[in-house]
Amino acid sequence: NAGVTQTPKFRVLKTGQSMTLLCAQDMNHEYMYWYRQDPGMGLRLIHYSVGEGTTAKGEVPDGYNVSRLKKQNFLLGLESAAPSQTSVYFCASSLWDFRDTQYFGPGTRLTVL
Amino acid sequence: AQTVTQSQPEMSVQEAETVTLSCTYDTSESDYYLFWYKQPPSRQMILVIRQEAYKQQNATENRFSVNFQKAAKSFSLKISDSQLGDAAMYFCAHSGAGSYQLTFGKGTKLSVIP
Repeated sequence: NAGVTQTPKFRVLKTGQSMTLLCAQDMNHEYMYWYRQDPGMGLRLIHYSVGEGTTAKGEVPDGYNVSRLKKQNFLLGLESAAPSQTSVYFCASSLWDFRDTQYFGPGTRLTVL
Repeated sequence: AQTVTQSQPEMSVQEAETVTLSCTYDTSESDYYLFWYKQPPSRQMILVIRQEAYKQQNATENRFSVNFQKAAKSFSLKISDSQLGDAAMYFCAHSGAGSYQLTFGKGTKLSVIP
């Protein structure tokens, strides 16, 4: 039982490049989330999903897209990376909604030059 | 809008002693949930404790307990018999029953002194 895994763990991009972060969970959770963590800012929600085939915007969605084609996977895409997207990205999942305990992945450190 | 405030950016405690981390929140909802998450140097966040606002009794989990003061909108975390492994960032978070949101505070960095 791996819990929540994220791929890759580190990535360096140049401005304008694109990439996709992959999140996978093996707990059969309905809800999945993408957060970003910046120094002194806590965690901020980018997008979330309430089930397979659904996505919704969070607090800071601009510049990101997401997809949830399979229940266990939640992808975060950056179409044209900008230096402001340099951050640590965390994926999380929960059995039911935001009131439930969220289980986090180990994070992806992304640097955009 | 929900807000969560952690007024102590950093704290330290001697090993085996007790420390209390502060958290206040602002919400217009009567039904909500409060959390403390721990983020060790490995970065992976884990739940420490969860409190349902409609429950009067303070949640406890082994050496971790909370002091939930609903009227004052305060939710502090007490760590007893502090251990070296407790050194981490601690985040307080709030989720309203009617909101699609988990709002985090900015965190408190706890150091444990041997």
